[in-house]
Amino acid sequence: QVQLQESGPGLVKPSETLSLTCTVSGGSISSYYWSWIRQPAGKGLEWIGRIYTSGSTNYNPSLKSRVTMSVDTSKNQFSLKLSSVTAADTAVYYCARAIFLEGYYYGMDVWGQGTTVTVSS
Amino acid sequence: SYELTQPPSVSVSPGQTARITCSGDALPKQYAYWYQQKPGQAPVLVIYKDSERPSGIPERFSGSSSGTTVTLTISGVQAEDEADYYCQSADSSGTYWVFGGGTKLTFI
Repeated sequence: QVQLQESGPGLVKPSETLSLTCTVSGGSISSYYWSWIRQPAGKGLEWIGRIYTSGSTNYNPSLKSRVTMSVDTSKNQFSLKLSSVTAADTAVYYCARAIFLEGYYYGMDVWGQGTTVTVSS
Repeated sequence: SYELTQPPSVSVSPGQTARITCSGDALPKQYAYWYQQKPGQAPVLVIYKDSERPSGIPERFSGSSSGTTVTLTISGVQAEDEADYYCQSADSSGTYWVFGGGTKLTFI
C-alpha cells in the first residue's frame, strides 16, 4: 500500500524559501503525477501544483512565480519550494498522488498526513 | 481565475439524504471530484469523474452532474459522515486544478 510522508522545516522566516519533500513508500514514484495542496488553519484546500515523474509541471497561476517542484525518482521523492514566503503562506501542506489513465484524470487517491509550516520571524 | 462555488454548510438529520452542490462554468467540460475531510485528517477521495466511486467508499455516496453544477449525494447519512466536503475540478483548458471552498456537513 502506497504511503506518502511530508518532511521539512516547520518554521520559515518571512521572505525566505519554504522547502518540503514528500517521500513515497510502498510503491514506485514512476508513471504518476504528484501534487502539492495546502490548507491554512480553518480554511479550505488550495491546489499548489503537480509534477509528473518526467519532470513536467503545472502550477497554480496565483503561485506560479514563487513555486518550483522537482522529482527524484532514485529516492522516490518529490519536492516543493515556495520562495519569498509571508505569513499568508502559513498552512498545512499536503502531498498527494494523482492518477491519470489513458488520458483521464481519476483524482488524488493517496495523501500524506500533512505537515504544518508556519511563517514567522 | 477559475472558481468553484459550494455552500458553506449543509445540515441534515441522521438517516436522511444530504445533497452538496458545486458550481463552475467549466463543469460541463471538466469532470468533478469530491473529497471528504474530517478534523485533523487528510482529505479522502469519495467520488471521481463526476459519479464514480473508488473502492472502499460506501454505496451511500453518489455523484451527479447537470450543466454547470455537480452534486454529491449522501443517502442515509450516518454520524461518521459529518465532515467537510470539497469539490475539485479543472479550468476549461484542463491545465489548472481548483478546489471549491468546501461545505461543512452537520447534523440537525
